[in-house]
Amino acid sequence: DGGITQSPKYLFRKEGQNVTLSCEQNLNHDAMYWYRQDPGQGLRLIYYSQIVNDFQKGDIAEGYSVSREKKESFPLTVTSAQKNPTAFYLCATSKPAGLNTEAFFGQGTRLTVV
Amino acid sequence: GNSVTQMEGPVTLSEEAFLTINCTYTATGYPSLFWYVQYPGEGLQLLLKATKADDKGSNKGFEATYRKETTSFHLEKGSVQVSDSAVYFCALYTGGFKTIFGAGTRLFVKA
Repeated sequence: DGGITQSPKYLFRKEGQNVTLSCEQNLNHDAMYWYRQDPGQGLRLIYYSQIVNDFQKGDIAEGYSVSREKKESFPLTVTSAQKNPTAFYLCATSKPAGLNTEAFFGQGTRLTVV
Repeated sequence: GNSVTQMEGPVTLSEEAFLTINCTYTATGYPSLFWYVQYPGEGLQLLLKATKADDKGSNKGFEATYRKETTSFHLEKGSVQVSDSAVYFCALYTGGFKTIFGAGTRLFVKA
């Protein structure tokens, strides 16, 4: 089936650790995105990538890093510099830009600092 | 800049009640408008969309009409079910690679 796979579904991080969230897609979409969701705050864009080997910061990029070495994959690393990482993280993709462009989402990863 | 404003939740309704969730937007140009739904513990999925003024998007009994004169895209359903309990996000897209999402409105439907 075509879709977006995020793993793991739940992730626990100790203080000072870096962790990496996986996002894989087989929709053949060029654009990929990472969003952070906190209760009552909607979605905030962390990073996005329009094409392989290229990515741009979103609205809340500090403390996060990404790579886009393959079209299918867009992993997100939450570094120790991110002071409040507990949140629900959503990966999304979209086709090349056009007015019918909708976003397709993965099932999310819930990250908790312990 | 571009923005989306949704009514605050939670919205609590009894089964078979009429639903309206208000959404207004600010945008330059002519955006496409979307409603996404998020069920507990899951990602978002597209519910309906409209790409130009006066278009009506519809799906699963939900409807929304793109009103340029009032810059609105209110979500409606004539008779809600318990299974409609979820968080609903209004969103706009003006081109490029960024979609702007509203804060989300949580809906609870009681049996």
